Amino acid sequence: GAVVSQHPSWVICKSGTSVKIECRSLDFQATTMFWYRQFPKQSLMLMATSNEGSKATYEQGVEKDKFLINHASLTLSTLTVTSAHPEDSSFYICSAHIIYEQYFGPGTRLTVT
Amino acid sequence: AQTVTQSQPEMSVQEAETVTLSCTYDTSENNYYLFWYKQPPSRQMILVIRQEAYKQQNATENRFSVNFQKAAKSFSLKISDSQLGDTAMYFCAAQGGSEKLVFGKGTKLTVNP
Repeated sequence: GAVVSQHPSWVICKSGTSVKIECRSLDFQATTMFWYRQFPKQSLMLMATSNEGSKATYEQGVEKDKFLINHASLTLSTLTVTSAHPEDSSFYICSAHIIYEQYFGPGTRLTVT
Repeated sequence: AQTVTQSQPEMSVQEAETVTLSCTYDTSENNYYLFWYKQPPSRQMILVIRQEAYKQQNATENRFSVNFQKAAKSFSLKISDSQLGDTAMYFCAAQGGSEKLVFGKGTKLTVNP
């Protein structure tokens, strides 16, 4: 089956620094990837749609200058949280879209101290 | 815009029994897909079952089946012969032409031994 990986699985960073999260489709190519944020005991909130070779489309209320998304190839999308603050601490999940289904990565836990 | 509503924040069931999780949705699109995802404590999103809206036949995957009532915009999940490993958060989701998934708030299911 289709496998999506994320790296790192857990990252701790200091306030004011930037952190990059990678999302890879391992055995298929995905022109579209999605980034979600999930707070404890809550549902997934779509942050942005990442399209290979073009700019990401951000959902309303998501700061595009803070959450930089790059879809450099058909198998890799990255999310960079710039100048991270404690309120950015969350669980970030990516998914890769193929045909009519999304395959999810295992998620990245970000803790900003 | 699509909306998905799960009215049961928590449910519990005894092992080997049957449980039904409710989901209603709203969409203006003619072609859409409906999904049930499972999120165990590992937080990996796992596809449980998918239903194409144009298909009248209810989808079935082993112990999991759906009751899709298109006119009522209802999409419930039935889990038969519940197992301890079914303990998880269950999210109902809808996807239209934009390929974006819209999630409900989730139902926490606990299977008791």
